[in-house]
Amino acid sequence: QSVLTQPPSVSGAPGQRVTISCTGSSSNIGAGYDVHWYQLLPGTAPKLLIYGNTNRPSGVPDRFSGSKSGTSASLAITGLQAEDEADYYCQSYDSSLSVLHVVFGGGTKLTVL
Amino acid sequence: QLQLQESGSGLVKPSQTLSLTCAVSGGSIGGGEYSWSWIRQPPEKGLEWIGSISHTGSTYCKPSLKSRVTISVDRSKNQFSLNLSSVTAADTAVYFCARVQVKYSSSEYFDFWGQGTLVTVSS
Repeated sequence: QSVLTQPPSVSGAPGQRVTISCTGSSSNIGAGYDVHWYQLLPGTAPKLLIYGNTNRPSGVPDRFSGSKSGTSASLAITGLQAEDEADYYCQSYDSSLSVLHVVFGGGTKLTVL
Repeated sequence: QLQLQESGSGLVKPSQTLSLTCAVSGGSIGGGEYSWSWIRQPPEKGLEWIGSISHTGSTYCKPSLKSRVTISVDRSKNQFSLNLSSVTAADTAVYFCARVQVKYSSSEYFDFWGQGTLVTVSS
């Protein structure tokens, strides 16, 4: 069971907008730690999509955007494309267990219909 | 462009030690104040952070794995390594290496990753 909770799956038709939520608690997102998002495609290196809640690395299309509020964060993908079909993970810090450590969400599989 | 490549034994027997190396190219592992991490993904499961080594050589790990994890850096070979002792079937996973970034953020994140290598624990 992951410290950060994501929906197991989301889906959308090409051109549509989808959002993926990442829900945490007062020991991670709610404590003010930034949230980051990654895209995983089988057989390829994971790709950083969003860092620091809202920032896109160079080369990531502006169809991808991130937000954070309270103990949750979200990844939004607009103008959905077939190539967006992948697994998406959120990541942050957690300060429980008396030590600061990296935590990931359980991952969300995006299906493009 | 920085590139990372994992290598090591793909099959480890239970109770033995898993050993992996991450070769860094396109940049110096000692250049800049970066940390370097290991992350894994068990079959049909999510990502799990294992631990990291800082530019000063200090290591920090997931609390539940701390007693079994050793991470080290070899600057002469531009690579870093993971040893995970006393493995069980639960340690079967794809293991990724990654560079840690902390710019513009209150929590570290991973900006460059290797493609991953599958390690199976089985007798």
